Amino acid sequence: DTAVSQTPKYLVTQMGNDKSIKCEQNLGHDTMYWYKQDSKKFLKIMFSYNNKELIINETVPNRFSPKSPDKAHLNLHINSLELGDSAVYFCASSQLRGNYGYTFGSGTRLTVV
Amino acid sequence: QKEVEQNSGPLSVPEGAIASLNCTYSDRGSQSFFWYRQYSGKSPELIMSIYSNGDKEDGRFTAQLNKASQYVSLLIRDSQPSDSATYLCAVSLFTGNQFYFGTGTSLTVIP
Repeated sequence: DTAVSQTPKYLVTQMGNDKSIKCEQNLGHDTMYWYKQDSKKFLKIMFSYNNKELIINETVPNRFSPKSPDKAHLNLHINSLELGDSAVYFCASSQLRGNYGYTFGSGTRLTVV
Repeated sequence: QKEVEQNSGPLSVPEGAIASLNCTYSDRGSQSFFWYRQYSGKSPELIMSIYSNGDKEDGRFTAQLNKASQYVSLLIRDSQPSDSATYLCAVSLFTGNQFYFGTGTSLTVIP
């Protein structure tokens, strides 16, 4: 069983389109995250939800909107995609008060052309 | 801006040698420290966590933390070609909270 699953794994789309990435975790964790990893491998936090409540909202263009229908799911919707949005997007989960670090999903490679 | 710095490498070591990876962080309030391994095209995988000063050993891996000097290191003994990957240092102010990642150190173990 996959602990943190993301779909799709690859996403190629044209500039200006709107797309969504879905994430689900079956670990029973109460906190989920979206990270962006650029071409230089730098992982930057975008959003974090704890029990469906937004707790971290870094400086991200408002074209990016997270949605958490329940604590096992965290989706990312991106409007009006731009070339600079091309990156790998990782979903992760953890226990907020735990000591175990994050478990990452397999990532979604987004390419905007 | 919280900063976590790592030598980007690449670091090359011969098989069987000790690989030493270093990480420094800027925020003295940092509480939790993690090392992740990321193979090319894969997601980061947690390999070590450390919370108090000193050494923590797990198999061939040893994490070392020195809060006074604000650095954390990872030693890999008896390096294997399968250890070739990018190693990411992550630092958190509170356990389980938002992590700040370094840019990673690329390690190549030469057979």
